[in-house]
Amino acid sequence: DGGITQSPKYLFRKEGQNVTLSCEQNLNHDAMYWYRQDPGQGLRLIYYSQIVNDFQKGDIAEGYSVSREKKESFPLTVTSAQKNPTAFYLCASSIGGGARTGELFFGEGSRLTVL
Amino acid sequence: KNQVEQSPQSLIILEGKNCTLQCNYTVSPFSNLRWYKQDTGRGPVSLTIMTFSENTKSNGRYTATLDADTKQSSLHITASQLSDSASYICVVRPLNYGGSQGNLIFGKGTKLSVKP
Repeated sequence: DGGITQSPKYLFRKEGQNVTLSCEQNLNHDAMYWYRQDPGQGLRLIYYSQIVNDFQKGDIAEGYSVSREKKESFPLTVTSAQKNPTAFYLCASSIGGGARTGELFFGEGSRLTVL
Repeated sequence: KNQVEQSPQSLIILEGKNCTLQCNYTVSPFSNLRWYKQDTGRGPVSLTIMTFSENTKSNGRYTATLDADTKQSSLHITASQLSDSASYICVVRPLNYGGSQGNLIFGKGTKLSVKP
């Protein structure tokens, strides 16, 4: 079945460690996104990529890094510079970042907890 | 500042009853407005997408309405089921100066609990 796969589902990290969250899609979508969700807040955009080998910062990119070496993959690294990394992270994709009514498809999320 | 406000924050209803969730936005101009359903611990799933020229759109027991003049949208759920228990998120895509698409602006969501 086509869809977006995020892994791991749950991740624990010690302070000062970098962690990488995986996001893979087989929908043949050009655009991919990373969002962060905190309790009582709307989703906030971390990074997005509209095409392979290109990505842009979202609203809260500090302390995060991404790569887009393949169309299917858009991993997110949470670095030690991120001051409050405990959150629910959601990866999404769409046919094209500029599509007027481009529907956004989300993965099942990764919950990161810093110990 | 572009904002999306949802009400109520949470809602409890009995199975079989109808309910309406509200979304007010200050995003202008905008390209489209979306409603998503998010089960606890899962990713959001799209329910409806409406452009600024559409007034209503249905998806089974879910009906979304849009009033672009008052900048309000509502999501009406008919004959609720236990599986409707979830958070419902209103999302607006701004239209930037020059006509390009802006990044999506998410509301905080309404948490709906359907009780037997």
